[in-house]
Amino acid sequence: QKEVEQNSGPLSVPEGAIASLNCTYSDRGSQSFFWYRQYSGKSPELIMFIYSNGDKEDGRFTAQLNKASQYVSLLIRDSQPSDSATYLCAAPHPRGSNYKLTFGKGTLLTVNP
Amino acid sequence: EPEVTQTPSHQVTQMGQEVILRCVPISNHLYFYWYRQILGQKVEFLVSFYNNEISEKSEIFDDQFSVERPDGSNFTLKIRSTKLEDSAMYFCASRRRVGSNQPQHFGDGTRLSIL
Repeated sequence: QKEVEQNSGPLSVPEGAIASLNCTYSDRGSQSFFWYRQYSGKSPELIMFIYSNGDKEDGRFTAQLNKASQYVSLLIRDSQPSDSATYLCAAPHPRGSNYKLTFGKGTLLTVNP
Repeated sequence: EPEVTQTPSHQVTQMGQEVILRCVPISNHLYFYWYRQILGQKVEFLVSFYNNEISEKSEIFDDQFSVERPDGSNFTLKIRSTKLEDSAMYFCASRRRVGSNQPQHFGDGTRLSIL
């Protein structure tokens, strides 16, 4: 069973702080990971993906991947109240040309003004 | 920016009735998916579709479920005889091409309520 685990939170940070969201995975064959943001009652929205060990930065977001530790994280710098949402970690699993996504339960982030 | 569109946004149906959920994937995408999310739970894979056939389905996707791409643009999910436990958000997603680093883009979802 290929699992993606996340701390469900809630994680509460003050506006302007760094929010750190973590994810671990069980399948050593997983090559890449996606971070999606999901507002309450809405659909998942792609934030970032990462497939190489190390850091990948996009604006206020930094994804970090450590394949040896089977750990992936998302840092949000200068957190804003509009960042308040559930953040989903997802890993694609190949079967032929299909890459279904396995999602974690998500971490609820609240940014307090 | 092109997007995945889903209709209806909310469907209320009596238990035992058939429902069809509709999706229009992004036009140059080749891979199509249905996921569902029961309230308060994780997003779960149902089925993937490529080249006019199912490429993988989960244990949830039993004989009551079917998918179709009838006209080259729409992608539908049919539940033949709905059960109370089918109440969930259903998300359609599409992906442009093969590769583990190719993201899936999600529609806004259909909230299915079974009474």
